[in-house]
Amino acid sequence: DAGITQSPRHKVTETGTPVTLRCHQTENHRYMYWYRQDPGHGLRLIHYSYGVKDTDKGEVSDGYSVSRSKTEDFLLTLESATSSQTSVYFCAIKDGTGWGGYTFGSGTRLTVV
Amino acid sequence: GQQLNQSPQSMFIQEGEDVSMNCTSSSIFNTWLWYKQDPGEGPVLLIALYKAGELTSNGRLTAQFGITRKDSFLNISASIPSDVGIYFCAGTDSNYQLIWGAGTKLIIKP
Repeated sequence: DAGITQSPRHKVTETGTPVTLRCHQTENHRYMYWYRQDPGHGLRLIHYSYGVKDTDKGEVSDGYSVSRSKTEDFLLTLESATSSQTSVYFCAIKDGTGWGGYTFGSGTRLTVV
Repeated sequence: GQQLNQSPQSMFIQEGEDVSMNCTSSSIFNTWLWYKQDPGEGPVLLIALYKAGELTSNGRLTAQFGITRKDSFLNISASIPSDVGIYFCAGTDSNYQLIWGAGTKLIIKP
């Protein structure tokens, strides 16, 4: 088990407020990812990190920022939440050789009202 | 952005039936992955395919990497109630970006 936890599991917030989601891993993996999942869209990459302080944008990065000050933590911030950011957010780590080695957290269900 | 076409979107099946789902792409992929997601959880890898023509099994699951490198299928034999969930295909394109299908929801008829 790769030891990946997300917090919080559920959150309701108001439009315009900042929100930070946390992803924590216990096994020192280099690559970490944030995805959002919406019906009919599968998983879409928001941002990813390839090391401490090394991050890059994904397919749907507008309105999101990330930070990785320690190997074990990857934070996703919605600077000013909008209703279109209501979604389920998943963190993942790349923990194996090849492209099959992704392990996902259990997700954070975010509702922006 | 680039997309995978995954079909069907959902399936109602009887317990014991075989299931088949597939993904297609307009461009060549280097890797095909199949994941399953249970309610309230993240996706879990079922099978990874790395070579064109490769056929791989994992218990009652069988997946193939298409010869054209533009498609893949997943078969489940003799379905059981715990097979319900959403199945996702994913693949890496020529730029090694990981692209996801929209998912196939499997539902067992009572």
